[in-house]
Amino acid sequence: DIQMTQSPSSLSASLGDRVTITCRTSQKIFNEVAWLQQTPGQAPRPLIYSASNLHRGVPSRFSGSGSGTDFTLTISSLQPEDFTTYFCQQYNSFPVTFGGGTRVDIK
Amino acid sequence: QFTLKESGPTLVRPTQTLTLTCTFTGFSLNIPAVGVGWIRQPPGKALEWLALLYWHDDERNSPSLRDNINITWDTSTNQVVLTMTDVDPGDTATYFCAHASQVKVRKFLFDYWGPGLLVTVSS
Repeated sequence: DIQMTQSPSSLSASLGDRVTITCRTSQKIFNEVAWLQQTPGQAPRPLIYSASNLHRGVPSRFSGSGSGTDFTLTISSLQPEDFTTYFCQQYNSFPVTFGGGTRVDIK
Repeated sequence: QFTLKESGPTLVRPTQTLTLTCTFTGFSLNIPAVGVGWIRQPPGKALEWLALLYWHDDERNSPSLRDNINITWDTSTNQVVLTMTDVDPGDTATYFCAHASQVKVRKFLFDYWGPGLLVTVSS
């Protein structure tokens, strides 16, 4: 199985801050990574696929990058609705695996 | 517009069989490059992929649960059913079903999710 090591597990930031979340995979997976956002009690919301492509309707303050084994999700200017949890996910091979999640809190 | 919704029991006893249904609208599994997957999330924990069923009635299951789970498609009702045998308290989780779009051979994106169903396994 491909392991997804996501960091940090939590971070505190202020409105307007730029934050970066990273995900490292246990083997090379080209760009086959997705990022999802999850608000408590709700289903995950897909943000990014193929490492850097935004899903329809996702604000442009979100961006993704990386290939091979190292991937990042960046939020350029935190908005109130962005203080929630984020997961990375690989779809390079079965079984599909997810990172442990990063919770973004208000400082 | 794709919609999915999970249904089933919210409380199951240990050793019983859990049967969950995903009812979907707006797409069909008869169409190439489309699938439905199941993912679960124990309270406060990360997501765990369970199974995927895609066109041609092909399926993939999580290796860690392969002997305990089965995924099937009821073509008459547009539902995908997940069956999990011999459950234990560790199977307590919110169970999600999701629309899967095939992007390459055997590579699928979960791009539309149901709201989820919290299932508790307890005696």
